[in-house]
Amino acid sequence: EVQLVESGGGLVKPGSSLKLSCVASGFTFSSYGMHWIRQAPKKGLEWIALIYYDSSNKYYADSVKGRFTISRDNSKNTLYLEMNSLRSEDTAMYYCAYGWFAYWGQGTLVTVSS
Amino acid sequence: DIQMTQAPSSLPASLGDRVTITCRASQDIGNYLRWFQQKPGKSPRLMIYGATNLAAGVPSRFSGSRSGSDYSLTISSLESEDMADYYCLQSKESPYTFGAGTKLELK
Repeated sequence: EVQLVESGGGLVKPGSSLKLSCVASGFTFSSYGMHWIRQAPKKGLEWIALIYYDSSNKYYADSVKGRFTISRDNSKNTLYLEMNSLRSEDTAMYYCAYGWFAYWGQGTLVTVSS
Repeated sequence: DIQMTQAPSSLPASLGDRVTITCRASQDIGNYLRWFQQKPGKSPRLMIYGATNLAAGVPSRFSGSRSGSDYSLTISSLESEDMADYYCLQSKESPYTFGAGTKLELK
C-alpha cells in the first residue's frame, strides 16, 4: 500500500525557517519524481515544487522561488521542503504527491504568524 | 505561465442531475489535464488523467472530455457522495497550474 506521510509543520513567526519531510513507502521511491502542493485555508490548490527521481532537475512556482528548496534522500525514502523567509501568505496545508499526482499524503499544516 | 480558467466556481445541483465543470487552458496543453476531487478535511483524489482517462477506482458516472482548449468533467447522475470541490490541473509544463476550483453542492 502506498503511503506518504508529511511532518514538520507548525506555528512560526514571519521571517523564520521550517523544514518539512515526506516519508514514502509502498513504492520504489527512487524511481519517481515528487511534488509539493499547498492549500491556504479555505483556498484552492497551488503547486509549488517538483524534484526528479534522481534530483537532477528541480522546478518551483514563482511564489516560492529563491525561498524554498526541494530535496530528497533516496536512501531514506524521504522528500524534503526547506522553507526560508516565511511570510504570512505561506500559511497553508502542505501536501507531497507522486505518480503525477495519483497519490497524496495527508498534509502538514504550516502557520506563519507573529 | 499557463493559466487554467475553471467554471463555474459554485454549482448547485440535485441528486440525479447531470453536471459539467469546465477548464479552459490559456496555451496548448494537449491532453496533459487532470481532474481532482477534494472533500472537506481530506487530501485531493485523482479522478481523471490524460483529459479523458478514469483513474483507478473512480465510478463510471465520471467522465472527462476535451474540445480544443476546453476540458470538461462530467458526472452523469449525481450522487450524494459526489458533493465536493473539484479542481483541474495542467501537467504539461512547469509551473503546473490548477484551476480555481468548483464547489459542487446540493440545491
